[in-house]
Amino acid sequence: DGGITQSPKYLFRKEGQNVTLSCEQNLNHDAMYWYRQDPGQGLRLIYYSQIVNDFQKGDIAEGYSVSREKKESFPLTVTSAQKNPTAFYLCASSPGVGANTEAFFGQGTRLTVV
Amino acid sequence: GENVEQHPSTLSVQEGDSAVIKCTYSDSASNYFPWYKQELGKRPQLIIDIRSNVGEKKDQRIAVTLNKTAKHFSLHITETQPEDSAVYFCAAPRMDSSYKLIFGSGTRLLVRP
Repeated sequence: DGGITQSPKYLFRKEGQNVTLSCEQNLNHDAMYWYRQDPGQGLRLIYYSQIVNDFQKGDIAEGYSVSREKKESFPLTVTSAQKNPTAFYLCASSPGVGANTEAFFGQGTRLTVV
Repeated sequence: GENVEQHPSTLSVQEGDSAVIKCTYSDSASNYFPWYKQELGKRPQLIIDIRSNVGEKKDQRIAVTLNKTAKHFSLHITETQPEDSAVYFCAAPRMDSSYKLIFGSGTRLLVRP
């Protein structure tokens, strides 16, 4: 699968540790997003970035941090402040600004706290 | 802000029957309504979308209808097949400066052979 790549596919974290999830895209998209998916719930927006060196909090940003130093990369750090981090994390990108274009998703990272 | 409600949460149909999933949204300015399909353990993928200047769009066995007055849109799958079994998400944009796409809670569709 080309386009947008997340790594690792599975990640285990001990309580109190920070972990960073990688997201890289070669689609030349300006906008990138991080979503969290829990069983029985929709996709909830954690952070998004419309352009390099700029990002905004989504609906559930507490306990997470991001950076957007390069257009291709939008890593997500899950900090120890996130009380319930076990979930499936999806990164997405879309061309240009605006939410009225197709979002392309990575294959996801399943994070488990042990 | 935009709210997207999706129903039903689960849907079981016999192979060959039709399936309908409905979403309502709150922001009357929303102008783009995509549907995503997520198979087990895989990424969500766009299957069809509709913009506010049309009322219906079809692509083979799937169709989406939009009622802007009532602020709802629906996904219709005809002649369902077992490979249609997946979780389906609707979405609508929040039409402020935040450029957020708001997703529904998902519908788990099971097509029984």
